[in-house]
Amino acid sequence: EVVLTQSPATLSLSPGERATLSCRASQGIGSYLGWYQQKPGQAPRLLIYDASNRATGIPARFSGSGSGTDFTLTISSLEPEDFAVYYCQQRSDWPLTFGQGTRLEIK
Amino acid sequence: EVQVVESGGGLVQPGGSLRLSCAASGFTLSSHWMNWVRQAPGKGLEWVASIKKDGGEMFYADSVKGRFTISRDNVKNSLYLQMNSLRGEDTAVYHCTRTRFGNRGGPFDIWGRGTMATVSS
Repeated sequence: EVVLTQSPATLSLSPGERATLSCRASQGIGSYLGWYQQKPGQAPRLLIYDASNRATGIPARFSGSGSGTDFTLTISSLEPEDFAVYYCQQRSDWPLTFGQGTRLEIK
Repeated sequence: EVQVVESGGGLVQPGGSLRLSCAASGFTLSSHWMNWVRQAPGKGLEWVASIKKDGGEMFYADSVKGRFTISRDNVKNSLYLQMNSLRGEDTAVYHCTRTRFGNRGGPFDIWGRGTMATVSS
């Protein structure tokens, strides 16, 4: 099973700052990684697929990078609505797995 | 509007069964892999099961293998999850998700709001 480890567990930043979230895979997964955003009481929303492709309707301030075992989600300038929990997920192999999440909170 | 809506959750005793349903609209169900993902209260996301576009392949998390069955009816635009031998650790919100067109398994580009299944005596 591919284990995804996200860091940090919690990230405290202010609006306008740059956010960098990490996801590390226990084995190489190519570019088969996605990122999701979840706000309280809502279903998750796909932000990035295949490491670096923005999903439909996702603002340009969200970007993804990486391949193999190390991946990054970057939010270039935080908006108030960006404070949420972020999950990475791999589709390289079964079982599909998620990281444990990074909580992005307002400082 | 493209959407999926889950139903069928509820309170069930340990060892009991539930059948979840997911109604899809706004897209051609038969063109997409479909999946169930769950989230226990206050916890992260856990993939549960996936089914191929024509229903010919299914994959399960080890935690539910042998107890849960995913199925679909493309004519009725519906996805199902039959859950048997339920345990307390199955308590969660169950989300129906659509796999992005042209992909196998993930990523999940459409999510339902979920239906809550509670296993307790």
